[in-house]
Amino acid sequence: AQSVAQPEDQVNVAEGNPLTVKCTYSVSGNPYLFWYVQYPNRGLQFLLKYITGDNLVKGSYGFEAEFNKSQTSFHLKKPSALVSDSALYFCAVRTGGGNKLTFGTGTQLKVEL
Amino acid sequence: EADIYQTPRYLVIGTGKKITLECSQTMGHDKMYWYQQDPGMELHLIHYSYGVNSTEKGDLSSESTVSRIRTEHFPLTLESARPSHTSQYLCASSDSAGYTDTQYFGPGTRLTVL
Repeated sequence: AQSVAQPEDQVNVAEGNPLTVKCTYSVSGNPYLFWYVQYPNRGLQFLLKYITGDNLVKGSYGFEAEFNKSQTSFHLKKPSALVSDSALYFCAVRTGGGNKLTFGTGTQLKVEL
Repeated sequence: EADIYQTPRYLVIGTGKKITLECSQTMGHDKMYWYQQDPGMELHLIHYSYGVNSTEKGDLSSESTVSRIRTEHFPLTLESARPSHTSQYLCASSDSAGYTDTQYFGPGTRLTVL
């Protein structure tokens, strides 16, 4: 079985400060890891993914994520947060041979002036 | 933005009505999915399809049904809507020919059953 944990329901950060949204995973086999963002009354937008290779993955809107195999983590980061980054963020995982994504419970990011 | 469309975006309907939520994609993806997103914002897979005439139930039991007669179209039907069906429904698609099989989502349909 595969699972994803997003330990924080909400993350608050001041605009201009770095942000981190945490994600840990559990899979049998090599993980394929994804981050999605959801704005109010919208569907999920794909941000970035880790499949193999460089542990630091760069994605849309200045976001990046670091894959850490020993800690089974895939935290989402951004060096300087914007108010417009305020949204709901989902981490997801599947195995290379698997067909279904398992999503975390989501983390609400609030960036304040 | 991904080329995946859902209609209607919002639907308010009375108990007992039959409804169909439409989902179409123009990316030629073979796989399509329906998720239900509850008020706590968790996503639950309720149906998926790996190609034409292929449909499977997901992890969360649902009274809805789906069909996949054309590659680009994956409608979801509720024969008799109930208040417990009130939720946000998200459609997604992915291309299994691609290395990563990344899922792309539509904008969602917010269903309210009175």
